[in-house]
Amino acid sequence: SYELTQPPSVSVSPGQTARITCSGDALPNQYAYWYQQKPGQAPVLVIYKDSERPSGIPERFSGSSSGTTVTLTISGVQAEDEADYYCQSADSSGVVFGGGTKLTVL
Amino acid sequence: QLQLQESGPGLVKPSETLSLTCTVSGGSISSSSYYWGWIRQPPGKGLEWIGSMYYSGSTYYNPSLKSRVTISVDTSKNQFSLKLSSVTAADTAVYYCVRGVLLGNGDDHYMDVWGKGTTVTVSS
Repeated sequence: SYELTQPPSVSVSPGQTARITCSGDALPNQYAYWYQQKPGQAPVLVIYKDSERPSGIPERFSGSSSGTTVTLTISGVQAEDEADYYCQSADSSGVVFGGGTKLTVL
Repeated sequence: QLQLQESGPGLVKPSETLSLTCTVSGGSISSSSYYWGWIRQPPGKGLEWIGSMYYSGSTYYNPSLKSRVTISVDTSKNQFSLKLSSVTAADTAVYYCVRGVLLGNGDDHYMDVWGKGTTVTVSS
């Protein structure tokens, strides 16, 4: 199975733009998905199929894909966005998660 | 609104079998559009996929756990279950049951509904 690589941490000031990357050799051929997890809570889907946003997720969350890297962008970061973020992909060999990125809002 | 609820022992002894059940409410487990699966998270660590199954019974598992994992479904009770054998302290984690949305292009899917999670500790 393949791996997905995320930076361990990203820091941003309120109102700024946060970008969290996820890299993997299979990503040009597979969709990526993003989850937000706050302490003590189950993960929540924030982006699916690289760039689609589920209903109820704020417009400031967006996703993009380029080659072997996908990016979760949070525009106008708010204090409530501080959380761990995980990327995920899946194929016939299984489901893979990235190691997670802790977003700190300074 | 679909809800998932995990249940099972919170403490399991080393070498024994961990057994958890997920009860699905607000929708049917017998849908051709979804996988049903389990994901775990050791304390302070990231998410690990355990396995997924289709309501018909077809399954696929994380290769690193495959020899110890069984996921099964009981459509009459709208439940699915996880069994993990020969557990060790490394299996201590929060276990989540999830619904996976199939994209129709093979096994690609993502998790749109999660249970709240249940903590399982492996200790004597």
